[in-house]
Amino acid sequence: ELQLVESGGGLVQPGGSLRLSCAASGFTVSDNYMTWVRQAPGKGLEWVSLIYGGGTTYYADSVKGRFTISRHNTKNTLYLQMNSLRAEDTAVYYCARRYSDYPASYMDVWGKGTTVTVSS
Amino acid sequence: SYVLTQPPSVSVAPGQTAEITCGGSDIATYSVHWYHQKPGQAPGLVVYDDTDRPSGIPDRFSGSNSGNTATLTISRVEAGDEADYYCQVWDSSSDHYVFGTGTKVTVL
Repeated sequence: ELQLVESGGGLVQPGGSLRLSCAASGFTVSDNYMTWVRQAPGKGLEWVSLIYGGGTTYYADSVKGRFTISRHNTKNTLYLQMNSLRAEDTAVYYCARRYSDYPASYMDVWGKGTTVTVSS
Repeated sequence: SYVLTQPPSVSVAPGQTAEITCGGSDIATYSVHWYHQKPGQAPGLVVYDDTDRPSGIPDRFSGSNSGNTATLTISRVEAGDEADYYCQVWDSSSDHYVFGTGTKVTVL
């Protein structure tokens, strides 16, 4: 079974840092295109970041320069390092797999999400 | 940046048809995917590549894409179809994924 499990969320003060993890099973993270998507309370889905199998990364303008997507191949885990956190980063963060290497492809496997709250 | 606009809400009686639109400039040139999301749950795919359904999604769900509007149609609506629905595309000009604003479907 294909599965993604996020962890690492929590309460952090503005300006602080947090690293989210997304452990995959049933497939290899490094062979796939992996994304992070977030959802602020009561709001819609917002794409955050994408990492290609080859390592190329992309970021939403709202997080560029503050967030870093990476992966650990032997642990089969995706990460999102979040620095300089702001109140508007408060959200449930989902990791998801893009189905294929075709850029316009859909996200077919989603984790259940981990909650990040940025507040003093 | 590319923007996808959806109506905030759609209400429909059981057994009737719900149409959820997703508006974007020349959206017909994009591959549109649709996700549903129930409260407290992760999103799940209901239609991909404009018109295709993943295994396990009933044929009551269908999609179309033309001009500046993509549409998700739910026929013979059931109470279990109540959820938020989002359209999504890949914007190659910015290398960004874009989600629609989301539509809450209420079954009366």
